[in-house]
Amino acid sequence: AQKVTQAQTEISVVEKEDVTLDCVYETRDTTYYLFWYKQPPSGELVFLIRRNSFDEQNEISGRYSWNFQKSTSSFNFTITASQVVDSAVYFCALSEALSGYSTLTFGKGTMLLVSP
Amino acid sequence: DTAVSQTPKYLVTQMGNDKSIKCEQNLGHDTMYWYKQDSKKFLKIMFSYNNKELIINETVPNRFSPKSPDKAHLNLHINSLELGDSAVYFCASSPRVKGDTQYFGPGTRLTVL
Repeated sequence: AQKVTQAQTEISVVEKEDVTLDCVYETRDTTYYLFWYKQPPSGELVFLIRRNSFDEQNEISGRYSWNFQKSTSSFNFTITASQVVDSAVYFCALSEALSGYSTLTFGKGTMLLVSP
Repeated sequence: DTAVSQTPKYLVTQMGNDKSIKCEQNLGHDTMYWYKQDSKKFLKIMFSYNNKELIINETVPNRFSPKSPDKAHLNLHINSLELGDSAVYFCASSPRVKGDTQYFGPGTRLTVL
């Protein structure tokens, strides 16, 4: 069965600090997809990134970057020069693509608090 | 233009009542989902429909019944509401089933008194 672990329950940083959110996953499939979603205090779930298991290239989008390492089954998310607006709960999720119909398995989320 | 919409946004009701939550997507997606987020923020799949056909039904009490009149709509009806049903319910949609990005609605906060 698939599993996603976000060991950091809550992280507090001061604005402009860099912060990395960890995500470790378990799956028996060779084809799978990894996601990050953001849930700000307003409550909606905002899609940030999707990665397939065959693409280990790191990705950068503005202040956001993602490090995918199959060797350690990790898909970590770094925010550079954090801002107060980055305060949210961040969820890592896994979708297996081969074993029948797939759904998203979410980690428990990491709450990021960025203070001015 | 709202991609995935849910109504109502808030729902407060008494134990034992029956209530429905509606979801609509205008993205042209084939697959829709219902997720439940509990008080600890944990998100768990409840149901999934692909082209109006139920394809995923997790271990959810049969008081919960999804209905998909067409592939753009997926409603959730809950009978005999219990205190433990209090949660935020999210609808989502994706183009196909396997591995596609799921786009979420704004959520419906259900409070059972």
